[in-house]
Amino acid sequence: DAKTTQPPSMDCAEGRAANLPCNHSTISGNEYVYWYRQIHSQGPQYIIHGLKNNETNEMASLIITEDRKSSTLILPHATLRDTAVYYCIVKTMEYGNKLVFGAGTILRVKS
Amino acid sequence: NAGVTQTPKFQVLKTGQSMTLQCAQDMNHNSMYWYRQDPGMGLRLIYYSASEGTTDKGEVPNGYNVSRLNKREFSLRLESAAPSQTSVYFCASTNELSSYEQYFGPGTRLTVT
Repeated sequence: DAKTTQPPSMDCAEGRAANLPCNHSTISGNEYVYWYRQIHSQGPQYIIHGLKNNETNEMASLIITEDRKSSTLILPHATLRDTAVYYCIVKTMEYGNKLVFGAGTILRVKS
Repeated sequence: NAGVTQTPKFQVLKTGQSMTLQCAQDMNHNSMYWYRQDPGMGLRLIYYSASEGTTDKGEVPNGYNVSRLNKREFSLRLESAAPSQTSVYFCASTNELSSYEQYFGPGTRLTVT
């Protein structure tokens, strides 16, 4: 599976958009980009995933560059409850392939 | 729907003691997982079970055993606890092994002294 690089931490003002970057320059054609988050002391929570098209759901938007070497998770109106560690993961959907969690980005939303 | 439940929530063991961490899911999922998370680190996969009756090693299986008791339950056993096993343990489940969305339990915080 391709490795990912994320900034260790970011700050965001409450109510503003939070843009979390992820580099995955060695991603292969059949690898998806997944985002999970982990709010303090809780189990991780799935947010969104995509292959090459931009994706949006009720929680966030995922923007993947055309060359697929990087992506950005966007929380459109961050709240204090969005303070968490955000993990960017790339992997295929092949049977037996499993999620590998790195260190992630600590997002601090401040009032 | 309780989702994924784990017991106990907290546990303190002495070196050499044994214990079993319990995990159950009520979503009729086929695949289940055990992870550990050390302070400031991401999750690391210990064991997983693709379906009832099968188990496989993950990234860090040494010192652990697992049992997929039935479709609902997947337990993790520490036969002889060591301080290096002090960690938070998370259980997760998915419909299929390749599914993108894993559902995680609340975790068990284990301290080995």
